Amino acid sequence: DAGVIQSPRHEVTEMGQEVTLRCKPISGHNSLFWYRQTMMRGLELLIYFNNNVPIDDSGMPEDRFSAKMPNASFSTLKIQPSEPRDSAVYFCASSPRTTGDGTEAFFGQGTRLTVV
Amino acid sequence: GQSLEQPSEVTAVEGAIVQINCTYQTSGFYGLSWYQQHDGGAPTFLSYNALDGLEETGRFSSFLSRSDSYGYLLLQELQMKDSASYFCAVRFRMDSSYKLIFGSGTRLLVRP
Repeated sequence: DAGVIQSPRHEVTEMGQEVTLRCKPISGHNSLFWYRQTMMRGLELLIYFNNNVPIDDSGMPEDRFSAKMPNASFSTLKIQPSEPRDSAVYFCASSPRTTGDGTEAFFGQGTRLTVV
Repeated sequence: GQSLEQPSEVTAVEGAIVQINCTYQTSGFYGLSWYQQHDGGAPTFLSYNALDGLEETGRFSSFLSRSDSYGYLLLQELQMKDSASYFCAVRFRMDSSYKLIFGSGTRLLVRP
């Protein structure tokens, strides 16, 4: 398996623009997670899905953030409108576990988002 | 609330042994995970301890003491490629679901 695949790897956008990050989890994994990593706040869980259903979105910072998982092989994280403080590395991860806590999660290479 | 503490930085010499400690405060504790992350890379799962004791996987070992709310990652026969950040993460149960929170990471620098 190619592992968790994220696109794009880098994204630079202007404040106010819509940003869509994409993720393809490892085939057969039941749980999918979106994380955000910054120097100030470290690694934070934004939302996770179990069998394509959003289970816990308490980490989503604002209504500007939304995530979808239309099928078992694809998920998106959208920020609309984007702001400079959204600049971070966004990781998608998947896990064969169904408990949804991210233990033994396999991470993608991340999308480095810069909002100017 | 939940909190984890780990040193921000550790330096060691190639071939040596280094221990990275992690202390935590949490209710509903279930287990402690360790992840490795190289600069510019993705976190990589290393180990998970749910029970007290030492788990060994090659050059890496992880230890947990639930009574002391403490764990550590032990790296033996250090190699230059082990230079990376290491994160401990606590798995706990809250509101009928499991959650995972990460520590702020320990940056390990291996010198020749």
